[in-house]
Amino acid sequence: GNSVTQMEGPVTLSEEAFLTINCTYTATGYPSLFWYVQYPGEGLQLLLKATKADDKGSNKGFEATYRKETTSFHLEKGSVQVSDSAVYFCALSDPGGAGANSKLTFGKGITLSVRP
Amino acid sequence: ETGVTQTPRHLVMGMTNKKSLKCEQHLGHNAMYWYKQSAKKPLELMFVYSLEERVENNSVPSRFSPECPNSSHLFLHLHTLQPEDSALYLCASSQELGATQYFGPGTRLLVL
Repeated sequence: GNSVTQMEGPVTLSEEAFLTINCTYTATGYPSLFWYVQYPGEGLQLLLKATKADDKGSNKGFEATYRKETTSFHLEKGSVQVSDSAVYFCALSDPGGAGANSKLTFGKGITLSVRP
Repeated sequence: ETGVTQTPRHLVMGMTNKKSLKCEQHLGHNAMYWYKQSAKKPLELMFVYSLEERVENNSVPSRFSPECPNSSHLFLHLHTLQPEDSALYLCASSQELGATQYFGPGTRLLVL
């Protein structure tokens, strides 16, 4: 079955620091990959996505590249801000699946805290 | 801009109450989902609907009863809940099964 593994958290950084959040996946097909962000007290928001190998998703200064050879989709940002403090979820979806195989499979999420 | 709204945003209920959560999507999507997010646990998919038909029920207790009257609306009817059911309940929608999902803000439920 499909699975997503995220690095253990929480992560605490100073403002303007470089961010990397690791995500690796296991999938039987050719999944699409996503990063979702959840700000305090809110639901999940789609941050970025990539649908095929070597695609790079980017948004709000965040980037992630779909690496099929290492089955990874690590999230990076060159300079974090206090407003980036949130929980980040890596997820995959198999568009070719049906029923249970069509669902999003989420990682456990990691909490990022950015200090001023 | 999510295009998915949920009401109420907060709900406190006793174990003998009956309440309903509502989700509405304004995106023209054909699939809708209910998730449960508990503290320190991964997101749990509860129900999946496609074109108003339930396509997945992940062994959810019968005290949770979903309803999808049309492709824009999804309800979760609650009755005789337990304190461990306290959580954030998230609704999502997608153009079709397997497509990118867009989430609502969630309903924070507390069962006393």
